[in-house]
Amino acid sequence: EAEVAQSPRYKITEKSQAVAFWCDPISGHATLYWYRQILGQGPELLVQFQDESVVDDSQLPKDRFSAERLKGVDSTLKIQPAELGDSAMYLCASSSRGGFTDTQYFGPGTRLTVL
Amino acid sequence: QKEVEQDPGPLSVPEGAIVSLNCTYSNSAFQYFMWYRQYSRKGPELLMYTYSSGNKEDGRFTAQVDKSSKYISLFIRDSQPSDSATYLCAMSAGGAQKLVFGQGTRLTINP
Repeated sequence: EAEVAQSPRYKITEKSQAVAFWCDPISGHATLYWYRQILGQGPELLVQFQDESVVDDSQLPKDRFSAERLKGVDSTLKIQPAELGDSAMYLCASSSRGGFTDTQYFGPGTRLTVL
Repeated sequence: QKEVEQDPGPLSVPEGAIVSLNCTYSNSAFQYFMWYRQYSRKGPELLMYTYSSGNKEDGRFTAQVDKSSKYISLFIRDSQPSDSATYLCAMSAGGAQKLVFGQGTRLTINP
């Protein structure tokens, strides 16, 4: 069964350092999402890609966060510099076309701890 | 006030019990309602999806939507220990509107 892959699964870093997360969506899925899930809360959308284009990044803190999906396949989310409040689970999801009725399939997430 | 409110629990019930999980929302434009299940250290997985008001049943799971009250529910019959997880409601107005999640309810089914 096809799955969304994410790496690393866990990351511990010190504040002010740079971190990067990688996501490989299900093959053929045009839409890719990055979510942040703070412990005890639901996921919150950070950025949505349709192929290589950003569709929604309204909740992405652009002063420190960046995301790219250069060839419309895998994607990288970067934080520079990391802050204590960035500690969270970062989830990647993909769907076939991005229409609302398309199921979003989530990866296992990257748990980030900022010390 | 959050757009979607969900009691975080935790909720602990004996095996075989009927479980009721609920969310309320404030945005009357929401038309699509989903329930996700999230096991520990895993990403969420879609459990049920409902459009507009009404009921939908899938095996032991029933989703209800009452748009007039802005209230949605998920019922689990004959609950099993394997149902122990965090349950997240999510909703959207459709089109290009993003999913808005509740904070999740942590459920434990005791053998």
